[in-house]
Amino acid sequence: KAGVTQTPRYLIKTRGQQVTLSCSPISGHRSVSWYQQTPGQGLQFLFEYFSETQRNKGNFPGRFSGRQFSNSRSEMNVSTLELGDSALYLCASRRSTDTQYFGPGTRLTVL
Amino acid sequence: KNEVEQSPQNLTAQEGEFITINCSYSVGISALHWLQQHPGGGIVSLFMLSSGKKKHGRLIATINIQEKHSSLHITASHPRDSAVYICAVLNTDKLIFGTGTRLQVFP
Repeated sequence: KAGVTQTPRYLIKTRGQQVTLSCSPISGHRSVSWYQQTPGQGLQFLFEYFSETQRNKGNFPGRFSGRQFSNSRSEMNVSTLELGDSALYLCASRRSTDTQYFGPGTRLTVL
Repeated sequence: KNEVEQSPQNLTAQEGEFITINCSYSVGISALHWLQQHPGGGIVSLFMLSSGKKKHGRLIATINIQEKHSSLHITASHPRDSAVYICAVLNTDKLIFGTGTRLQVFP
């Protein structure tokens, strides 16, 4: 079974731009969660989608948004990028209450 | 005070040593995860547990719900175990992460 895939793996943007990251979960997994990892704050939960609905949301500003498609693939969008948005963005998928399987991450650098 | 605390922050060991990493939490949880992160960023879920003890190969994870404490043990450590180990608790369906323990095992 293929693992969780994320595209792109690396991304460089400038302040004020917007970015869209993509996550394809493991086949059969309907839940996709997104996380941000920075050296200062560590790993933080962004949001979770299940069957195209946002089920849970972390404490991030409205510039961070996401969506999930009918095939369970998910995208997250960050608008009006700030330097502090530079981070590793990880997504993880799971079937229901099972363990989460993480993707390799997208490393975003904001200049 | 962080809701999930790990100790130690850094750990060095010689190959073959027995290693223990501790995790304490202050919130109600439905499960606790132990994760391993190698340089480059990839995260692997090692264990998810809500009670008792689990073993997988040389790794053992225990949890004491009453004391809000979990431990990850590595027996007969090996240089390939060098990684960051992260404790995460599931609270109202959200994962809250510890800051991680950086382990280096030298041959």
